[in-house]
Amino acid sequence: GESVGLHLPTLSVQEGDNSIINCAYSNSASDYFIWYKQESGKGPQFIIDIRSNMDKRQGQRVTVLLNKTVKHLSLQIAATQPGDSAVYFCAENRSAGGTSYGKLTFGQGTILTVHP
Amino acid sequence: GAGVSQSPSNKVTEKGKDVELRCDPISGHTALYWYRQSLGQGLEFLIYFQGNSAPDKSGLPSDRFSAERTGGSVSTLTIQRTQQEDSAVYLCASSLVGTGVSYEQYFGPGTRLTVT
Repeated sequence: GESVGLHLPTLSVQEGDNSIINCAYSNSASDYFIWYKQESGKGPQFIIDIRSNMDKRQGQRVTVLLNKTVKHLSLQIAATQPGDSAVYFCAENRSAGGTSYGKLTFGQGTILTVHP
Repeated sequence: GAGVSQSPSNKVTEKGKDVELRCDPISGHTALYWYRQSLGQGLEFLIYFQGNSAPDKSGLPSDRFSAERTGGSVSTLTIQRTQQEDSAVYLCASSLVGTGVSYEQYFGPGTRLTVT
């Protein structure tokens, strides 16, 4: 039978389009969020992070939006390029006993495919 | 500079054998993490080391899994009596941890473990 784990959300875009990748988190105590990019055969690579006292943060061609009310995180990539094709993971830091030490919980991931 | 390195890059072992996976973190990073990534899945936290503190082993799936970090640097993840469900990519990450410091985790390329 099929493995549910292989059915990652997918997003296909044309080169030059803007991409939006979404992520829902479950723990209202999470205070730090990161987006990672993972290319085939490589470890995850940091893209951008945001703390819970912010709702928006911008980097180079990327923007992360945080909506704590609905526990939703999104990654916007401007002018998407073929080199952006990868699996994108959101991760949240869950405080433990009131001390946040960087232990991350990862989402399932979204496959982004950029067509030339 | 040198990033996180892991060895071996690939390991094939027979069911029931023990395996050791090695991680060399970035020099000066005080925190070290092990994660497991099954095919098409996100990253599953296994264990966390921070300085001389007792490690957080809350993610280890069974007592067949153990890890140590010698001298606050190199870490070894050991899986005893391997089972087929242990087949996955094992990723190591390191980070600086401290007040006001980003929790950005830098990942190694991973060790792909296949248990036959």
